[in-house]
Amino acid sequence: QKEVEQNSGPLSVPEGAIASLNCTYSDRVSQSFFWYRQYSGKSPELIMSIYSNGDKEDGRFTAQLNKASQYVSLLIRDSQPSDSATYLCAADTGFQKLVFGTGTRLLVSP
Amino acid sequence: SAVISQKPSRDICQRGTSLTIQCQVDSQVTMMFWYRQQPGQSLTLIATANQGSEATYESGFVIDKFPISRPNLTFSTLTVSNMSPEDSSIYLCSVENPTGELFFGEGSRLTVL
Repeated sequence: QKEVEQNSGPLSVPEGAIASLNCTYSDRVSQSFFWYRQYSGKSPELIMSIYSNGDKEDGRFTAQLNKASQYVSLLIRDSQPSDSATYLCAADTGFQKLVFGTGTRLLVSP
Repeated sequence: SAVISQKPSRDICQRGTSLTIQCQVDSQVTMMFWYRQQPGQSLTLIATANQGSEATYESGFVIDKFPISRPNLTFSTLTVSNMSPEDSSIYLCSVENPTGELFFGEGSRLTVL
């Protein structure tokens, strides 16, 4: 069974710190990986996608992928209280479908 | 990214009834995806809706319980039939872009009493 694992949290960081969110996946076929942010009561919003090993930066967000270790991470620099949300990691299954992790709840305190 | 509109945004329903959720996209798409997010859980794919053919259901989901229509390339409906409290969830319509990124509608929050 294809799985994406995340620590449910909550991960608590002070404002201005770096938040590090981690995700592992079980299916070596997966080639595409995504991070979504979901505020309470809202639908998931795509933050980052990453397809190659290494880092991908977009503003305060950096996604990191290590296919050998089957590991994906999301770094949020200069964390803000508005970043407080649940972050979902997703991996493709090779059949145009995504498998989602259960999400990590991030709390950024002022 | 496409603009995806869902109706209703929320509803409270009685056990044994059925509810149809509508999803409208502002551009033509080949596939539309229906997900469920139960309270405190992650997203689970219910089915993939293709225009002109029957929907493809994931393991654990059947057409009798979740009939889907896809009359054209911008619209789809999901019906939750014979509802029970276990069907209380957020139901999300989504579409993907050519690079496989998935975008979601606002969701339909369903409470079954």
